[in-house]
Amino acid sequence: ELKVEQNPLFLSMQEGKNYTIYCNYSTTSDRLYWYRQDPGKSLESLFVLLSNGAVKQEGRLMASLDTKARLSTLHITAAVHDLSATYFCAVDIWGGGADGLTFGKGTHLIIQP
Amino acid sequence: DTEVTQTPKHLVMGMTNKKSLKCEQHMGHRAMYWYKQKAKKPPELMFVYSYEKLSINESVPSRFSPECPNSSLLNLHLHALQPEDSALYLCASSPLPPNEAFFGQGTRLTVV
Repeated sequence: ELKVEQNPLFLSMQEGKNYTIYCNYSTTSDRLYWYRQDPGKSLESLFVLLSNGAVKQEGRLMASLDTKARLSTLHITAAVHDLSATYFCAVDIWGGGADGLTFGKGTHLIIQP
Repeated sequence: DTEVTQTPKHLVMGMTNKKSLKCEQHMGHRAMYWYKQKAKKPPELMFVYSYEKLSINESVPSRFSPECPNSSLLNLHLHALQPEDSALYLCASSPLPPNEAFFGQGTRLTVV
């Protein structure tokens, strides 16, 4: 059974600081996704990581994937209040058929002025 | 068009009611999914359709009945639900092989 673990689950930080969210998963996969969810809203796709060593950046967020370590990171640089949200990583195992996504528990991020 | 459209956005139903949730995409994706999300929890996979055929049912109670009439539409028929079924129901679609999943805005379901 695929397990996806995120840490931390809750993070309160100040604007301007840097921090990293970690996502570990239990089964070999080279398909990992990061989503953002605002309260009461749906999931917004942030990054799609489809190969070992993939690194993607958008604004103050950067995501990377190490399939050998089964680890992905989401790095926040110089955080701003607008980045406050819940961030989920999700893993997809392609075994010849669509298996859907298994999500981590999410990281609830609060950025204070 | 990269949208997945879900209707209705909100639904309140009694435990004896029958209702349906609808999901539509026009991206040519051949996989469609239903997820259930309870408050402060991650989404949990319920059903997967691949090429309009049900390929995964994650031990979902029979009071939830999915249907995929064609490659663009996905329905979730609801009958005799319980209050604990109240949640956000998310539809998603992806190409095959999947390289990204696009989520709809969700239906917030309350069972009274």
